[in-house]
Amino acid sequence: GESVGLHLPTLSVQEGDNSIINCAYSNSASDYFIWYKQESGKGPQFIIDIRSNMDKRQGQRVTVLLNKTVKHLSLQIAATQPGDSAVYFCAEKGQEALNFGKGTSLLVTP
Amino acid sequence: NAGVTQTPKFRILKIGQSMTLQCTQDMNHNYMYWYRQDPGMGLKLIYYSVGAGITDKGEVPNGYNVSRSTTEDFPLRLELAAPSQTSVYFCASSLIGEETQYFGPGTRLLVL
Repeated sequence: GESVGLHLPTLSVQEGDNSIINCAYSNSASDYFIWYKQESGKGPQFIIDIRSNMDKRQGQRVTVLLNKTVKHLSLQIAATQPGDSAVYFCAEKGQEALNFGKGTSLLVTP
Repeated sequence: NAGVTQTPKFRILKIGQSMTLQCTQDMNHNYMYWYRQDPGMGLKLIYYSVGAGITDKGEVPNGYNVSRSTTEDFPLRLELAAPSQTSVYFCASSLIGEETQYFGPGTRLLVL
């Protein structure tokens, strides 16, 4: 089964609201996680990453939270904009490469 | 830097035909990867390479072959195309010692 999964396949938010996209992982030994954004017809684009020795990491309008106790991470997007509409993937570092979840589609409505 | 480039952008193949998907990166990255992405799904690793002359299988290698004769190029070969290979193919690269992978724009392949 999927070692990395997302709780919701789609998320609809109003422009200006904050978005939270969740992800669960099963391998407690995972030490690196990354979020990608994929716009329609394009390749995944790096957003932010976090190592297991951290609980929180902030970027520009984005924050990733890591809860190792429940093996959960989330991506928070502040003041969501129409340009944030995309599919968001979480991934964990596997033995060979990154293991990706199925993605959450974020739709920003005016 | 152009980053990771892929050609072609789109291709239609008949069952049994062969083709090569091209991938080039100009970031001097050691590691390169090929993934496929089926509709509504995440990316699955087909093959990867840790340097010129070294390749290894990923999660879904059957029906594909790769080579890595240079640091820059990592072509993916389909010898006998099958409908199950209809997908979007992404090439990625990363620097040795870093986990962040940088992706190309993808090649959309339709096998009929």
